Amino acid sequence: QQPVQSPQAVILREGEDAVINCSSSKALYSVHWYRQKHGEAPVFLMILLKGGEQKGHEKISASFNEKKQQSSLYLTASQLSYSGTYFCGTENNFGNEKLTFGTGTRLTIIP
Amino acid sequence: DGGITQSPKYLFRKEGQNVTLSCEQNLNHDAMYWYRQDPGQGLRLIYYSQIVNDFQKGDIAEGYSVSREKKESFPLTVTSAQKNPTAFYLCASSIRLAGASGANVLTFGAGSRLTVL
Repeated sequence: QQPVQSPQAVILREGEDAVINCSSSKALYSVHWYRQKHGEAPVFLMILLKGGEQKGHEKISASFNEKKQQSSLYLTASQLSYSGTYFCGTENNFGNEKLTFGTGTRLTIIP
Repeated sequence: DGGITQSPKYLFRKEGQNVTLSCEQNLNHDAMYWYRQDPGQGLRLIYYSQIVNDFQKGDIAEGYSVSREKKESFPLTVTSAQKNPTAFYLCASSIRLAGASGANVLTFGAGSRLTVL
């Protein structure tokens, strides 16, 4: 089963913040986040391996609540370059190397 | 530069024809994957292979076939049995994070867009 992402789409003005959520019905071993710009391949952003872990890269960070089987991606002071579709990918509790992706969240940043 | 090469980038086929999409990587990754992307449905796993001469079905394998004769290559054949083959196909390979069992970071190719006429 695919993890569920919300919202499906969001439009922000440059400088505003956004949160993208990813929920799974199964226990999770890890959560990955990728960004895909229009017409391009998805690019890895970050991976979270432990419950409650938070990671960050510049103004993009993420959290992983293992108990709730959820992860959230936080984009702070968004830039035009953040536009794209964001996907979470989940590995189940057994770490079987099979990554299941969510349906994606389309983020549009306008000046 | 290391990476993943998919070809062709665009492909048109008539109904009832088989078509093979190429995926080659020079990253020395052990695992390779094929995903299908449709609007609003994200990325769905078709097949994956963790070692040469071995592969496993993903979530939507029906109508597809693969082979893994070489570490660098993982071609996907879309057969005439696939009822709705028009889609964007992405190939990926992965390396296991050091010290992290089962945690694979994927590198994707640029994709192949298949249109059935």
